[in-house]
Formats: sequence, structure tokens, C-alpha cells
Amino acid sequence: GENVEQHPSTLSVQEGDSAVIKCTYSDSASNYFPWYKQELGKRPQLIIDIRSNVGEKKDQRIAVTLNKTAKHFSLHITETQPEDSAVYFCAARRRKTSYDKVIFGPGTSLSVIP
Amino acid sequence: GAVVSQHPSRVICKSGTSVKIECRSLDFQATTMFWYRQFPKQSLMLMATSNEGSKATYEQGVEKDKFLINHASLTLSTLTVTSAHPEDSSFYICSAREMPSGGAGDTQYFGPGTRLTVL
Repeated sequence: GENVEQHPSTLSVQEGDSAVIKCTYSDSASNYFPWYKQELGKRPQLIIDIRSNVGEKKDQRIAVTLNKTAKHFSLHITETQPEDSAVYFCAARRRKTSYDKVIFGPGTSLSVIP
Repeated sequence: GAVVSQHPSRVICKSGTSVKIECRSLDFQATTMFWYRQFPKQSLMLMATSNEGSKATYEQGVEKDKFLINHASLTLSTLTVTSAHPEDSSFYICSAREMPSGGAGDTQYFGPGTRLTVL
């Protein structure tokens, strides 16, 4: 079945440094790739997304890149701040007949050290 | 942005009882809602996809008779955990996708989650 892998599982960076999280997906039919940030005990919040017809998208300190051929996509956070500390999930949307669903990666726990 | 509510936020029940969790889209219509389960320090595992007016589609390994899903309207879906046992204790999160599907309808909005503890 469809699968999304995510690395690293934990990431610790100094404040101001960049953080990169990488994901791979197995289903070539996936066409939408959202990234979610989840703080402890709270709901996942969409932070950025990218569609399969785009190779890169940027929103202030956050950027996402997509390599459809390799089925890789990555999240880049620049100038990290302590409030960026959270668990980040990548996901891939798979369209199938009359319904589609989003499959989540296992998550990356990001710690930004002041 | 779109708001999804979930009720209750926390429930503690005895083993063998049933628990109903409600998921509502407050300011938009959602033809599709999703139910996820999340164990501590783990990812969101999709349990089922709920379409308004039709039967839910369950993921492999999820028991239909144990996790009853009803999507009665474009703004409400319910998950009932029947005959709950301690191993059902988890964080249950719903999400709703804003109409129309595809294109602008890609974004999923999550509810705040329900923490279920079965004693």
C-alpha cells in the first residue's frame, strides 16, 4: 500500500540555524503534499503545501521542494526560532476513484535550542 | 481559516461502554471527513474516510463494527467506539476537507482531538 517515510525522526538545531526534513512517498499517483506542525496535545496545523505541478514553494521562512521523479519532498525552515519547536509531519495525498486520502509520515520532532 | 470542532475533548470511560465523538465543520461544508488515531509520540493513522450520505471507507485493519462512523450532514460526522477496551485508549482526531474536492479543496482542517481513556 501507499507509504510515506520521513527523516530524521528527531532534529535539534541552534536558534538561527536552518532545519531540513526530508520525505519520500511510494505512490506515484500522489499529487498533493502538505506539511503539518503539531504542538504537544494540539491539533496539526497546515504550514505549507505543494502540488505535483510545482517544484518549489516558499512562504517567509518556510520552503518546500518536490522532486516527482525521485518521489522526494523536503521542508526547509530558515532562521529557526524556539517557537518552531514541534513535531512536523509530511503527508502525501493519493487520489483513488471517488475518494482520496492523505497519508502521513511518522513525524520529526524538531527542537530549536535558544 | 476554516474551523473544525470536536466534542468531547476528553473522555474517560469504563471498559465495555461505548463512546461517541462528534466532529463538526463550523463555517464550511465538508463532503468528506477523516478520522485518525494517534498514539503518544506517533503519527496520525487514518482509520476511515467518511462521506456525507454514504458508508464510510475503512482502512485495512480497522474494525467497522467497533468504530462506527456516521456522516449525517455536510457539517457533522460522528465516531462511536463500541465496547471500548483499554487498548482503544488514544487521541482521536477528525479532519474535514472543504468543498469542492480537488484544486482548492485540497486543504484538510483538523479538529482539536479527543483524548479517550478506557479504564
